[in-house]
Amino acid sequence: KNEVEQSPQNLTAQEGEFITINCSYSVGISALHWLQQHPGGGIVSLFMLSSGKKKHGRLIATINIQEKHSSLHITASHPRDSAVYICAVPVTSGSRLTFGEGTQLTVNP
Amino acid sequence: ETGVTQSPTHLIKTRGQQVTLRCSSQSGHNTVSWYQQALGQGPQFIFQYYREEENGRGNFPPRFSGLQFPNYSSELNVNALELDDSALYLCASSLGGTGGYNEQFFGPGTRLTVL
Repeated sequence: KNEVEQSPQNLTAQEGEFITINCSYSVGISALHWLQQHPGGGIVSLFMLSSGKKKHGRLIATINIQEKHSSLHITASHPRDSAVYICAVPVTSGSRLTFGEGTQLTVNP
Repeated sequence: ETGVTQSPTHLIKTRGQQVTLRCSSQSGHNTVSWYQQALGQGPQFIFQYYREEENGRGNFPPRFSGLQFPNYSSELNVNALELDDSALYLCASSLGGTGGYNEQFFGPGTRLTVL
């Protein structure tokens, strides 16, 4: 079992739909990262959160430390949101991130 | 403020050769982490450098080595290249030694192909 698991692996939506991507982890952490990776490889940090909820534009991230679960929501999805979304958690001494396998999101116009 | 840059963007090598990848960290950041991302998988942690010292290492053999310079830029060296080393190599800079607990800023990556 991976330390960080994401679901679904692939997600196809129509423009305007509400999107939810889930991340569960098995290690004890105090922070979680959500990242976005576009074709070509570049990774952008979307959120780092340790409790509750954070919002940035149409993106909302929530985390439940007790249940070891986080969700990334996209409201009013748009084709430009098409990308791989990855959650990552710090483990051991905190110097390293362990990543989920990513969720490939495709938003069709 | 200058973002994280990596060079080269693409590289083709043959088995047994050696390669050096470079990363310039974001201005003011003293920590650089290196990751390997195979096609279709999430990134895997290789190692991290904090103030010119190795500060954590993942499950990679010793032929993966690194260096951080006084200006906090960093190099990743891979000796005796193997076919499985073909991947996207990402570096990320952050402030503070516990990189996992600070926001990390990623470079565009170097795509390495080993033939």
